[in-house]
Amino acid sequence: KQEVTQIPAALSVPEGENLVLNCSFTDSAIYNLQWFRQDPGKGLTSLLLIQSSQREQTSGRLNASLDKSSGRSTLYIAASQPGDSATYLCAVDGGTSYGKLTFGQGTILTVHP
Amino acid sequence: GAVVSQHPSRVICKSGTSVKIECRSLDFQATTMFWYRQFPKQSLMLMATSNEGSKATYEQGVEKDKFLINHASLTLSTLTVTSAHPEDSSFYICSARGWGGYEQYFGPGTRLTVT
Repeated sequence: KQEVTQIPAALSVPEGENLVLNCSFTDSAIYNLQWFRQDPGKGLTSLLLIQSSQREQTSGRLNASLDKSSGRSTLYIAASQPGDSATYLCAVDGGTSYGKLTFGQGTILTVHP
Repeated sequence: GAVVSQHPSRVICKSGTSVKIECRSLDFQATTMFWYRQFPKQSLMLMATSNEGSKATYEQGVEKDKFLINHASLTLSTLTVTSAHPEDSSFYICSARGWGGYEQYFGPGTRLTVT
């Protein structure tokens, strides 16, 4: 059974800092890994999707890397802003079966001015 | 593109009644739709997977007679919570995937409160 763990559970940083969120998964036989953002009481916003054959994806200030063999992914946020404050979720497709996403518990990020 | 809507966004119902939640793909045909549940301060847990025209596949521990899922068209899936109880209060989120696609597109979620 695929298990996904995110570290840290919560993170509070001053505006402007670069930061790294970590995600690890137990079964490396994945199809893809996705990072989401969730604002309180809202649905999910997809940030980046990395296919199993890829090592990283970039979008603006966000960069996600994937090391499938070691079962790890990181989400790097450059020059953080208060508007980045949200819960960040990592989800893995595969390991159990194709198409079923297994989510981590999330990292609650607070960026203060 | 790839917009998924849910209706209603919030619903409050009395214990023992049934509630239907709709999930629609607005600009693509969703061959597969997924239903997730999220309890406060917890992550999303997959409840069931439904393919258009087929019976839903439920995850272990999810009561299929309590959570009825219908996926009768390529743009609509419904989740009916039957005989709802306060412990069914949760945030329900659907996602949809199109032909040959690998990415799931998520709806905005439905907050269900059972009193």
